[in-house]
Amino acid sequence: EVQLVESGGGLVKPGGSLRLSCAASGFTFSSYSMNWVRQAPGKGLEWVSSISSSSSYIYYADSVKGRFTISRDNAKNSLYLQMNSLRAEDTAVYYCAGRILDVWGKGTTVTVSS
Amino acid sequence: QSVLTQPPSVSAAPGQKVTISCSGSSSNIGNNYVSWYQQLPGTAPKLLIYENNKRPSGIPDRFSGSKSGTSATLGITGLQTGDEADYYCGTWDSSLSPYVFGTGTKVTVL
Repeated sequence: EVQLVESGGGLVKPGGSLRLSCAASGFTFSSYSMNWVRQAPGKGLEWVSSISSSSSYIYYADSVKGRFTISRDNAKNSLYLQMNSLRAEDTAVYYCAGRILDVWGKGTTVTVSS
Repeated sequence: QSVLTQPPSVSAAPGQKVTISCSGSSSNIGNNYVSWYQQLPGTAPKLLIYENNKRPSGIPDRFSGSKSGTSATLGITGLQTGDEADYYCGTWDSSLSPYVFGTGTKVTVL
C-alpha cells in the first residue's frame, strides 16, 4: 500500500523550531519529487516546499524562504522539513505529498503560540 | 492570497451536474498542466484530475477536467451526497510560488 506518514508536529512558541518528518512506503521513494503543503485553520491549501528525487532542485514559497529547509534521505525513505523562526501564521496542518501529488499523508498539526 | 481564482461555492441537487472554474494567467495555467483535488471534511486532499483531464486509477468518470487558455474547469456529473467537499485546482507557476493552489470551492449537494 502506498503510504505517507507525517510526524513531528506540536505546540511551539513564536521564534521556536520544529522538525517534521514524513515516512514513505509502498513506492520507490527515491524516484519521485516530494512536497510539503500546509493548511491553516479554516483556510485553503498552501504549497510550502518541493524537493526533487536526488535533492538537486529545491523550491520554497516566499512565505517560508529563509526559515524552512526541506531535505530527504532516500536510504530511509524519509522527507523532512526543518522549521525555524516560527511565527503564529505558520500554524497549520502540514501535509507531505508526493509523486504527482497523488499520494498524501494525513497531516501533522503545528501550532505556534505563546 | 492565491493567484488561481475559484468560486467560493457551488451547489446542485443529487444527480445533477456542477462545474467549478479556475482562473489563472499565462505564467501558471496558460503554460502548465492543471490538477484538481478533493478534500472531504477533516481529511487530506485527494488527487482527482491531473494533466488537465486525466483521472488517477479509482476516480470515477463522473469527474472530468478541461483547460482552455488561462482557465480550467472541473465537472462533476451525477452529483452524490458523498461529493460534498472542498475542491482545489493546482498548477505550477513560473513567476511566483513554484506551485500554486486555487482559492478553493465548496460543493454542496442540496
